[in-house]
Amino acid sequence: QKEVEQDPGPLSVPEGAIVSLNCTYSNSAFQYFMWYRQYSRKGPELLMYTYSSGNKEDGRFTAQVDKSSKYISLFIRDSQPSDSATYLCAMTIPSGAGSYQLTFGKGTKLSVIP
Amino acid sequence: DGGITQSPKYLFRKEGQNVTLSCEQNLNHDAMYWYRQDPGQGLRLIYYSQIVNDFQKGDIAEGYSVSREKKESFPLTVTSAQKNPTAFYLCASRSRGSSYEQYFGPGTRLTVT
Repeated sequence: QKEVEQDPGPLSVPEGAIVSLNCTYSNSAFQYFMWYRQYSRKGPELLMYTYSSGNKEDGRFTAQVDKSSKYISLFIRDSQPSDSATYLCAMTIPSGAGSYQLTFGKGTKLSVIP
Repeated sequence: DGGITQSPKYLFRKEGQNVTLSCEQNLNHDAMYWYRQDPGQGLRLIYYSQIVNDFQKGDIAEGYSVSREKKESFPLTVTSAQKNPTAFYLCASRSRGSSYEQYFGPGTRLTVT
């Protein structure tokens, strides 16, 4: 079993729809939970991060963490064609001497159709 | 502008040749990372460095080598021992004060034929 599981999609939705992206994880030592957005042939950019269980909202984006279920989600409201990208979940774990390593999900490719 | 640069954007090599990918950052970050991304595979860690003249192997270091002679630079060499070198390579850096955020470069697409 991989440490982080993410459905690769692809996911196609009409413009204006609510999008739900999800990841599950198995290692309870993960501390920070992040969502990166990656446009085609570009480097990933950090979209949101959370530390504790609960919801965190930023504009049209809401990140949700449920540590008891080892489950994280990213919701996108009023989705736009510009949201079309691959979304990667990522989690950190301390690896000693102040170092942190990221473990990534495989990414979900999202297409928002006008 | 502060950021991470990777060059070139596209790189083509013949099988059996070593090739070096460049990564430079002007963010004054201590830690730097190299990842490999294959379709449907997510990002996998090749090597990372927390400080100049020190680096550690990641999950898939075989067939790769790195150096960290300067804080700003972390070049990756893909050797002929790497069995499947064709991939998208991403460099990232992290500030000592951050426990989570890594900033990524634009990536280099390497094709070996």
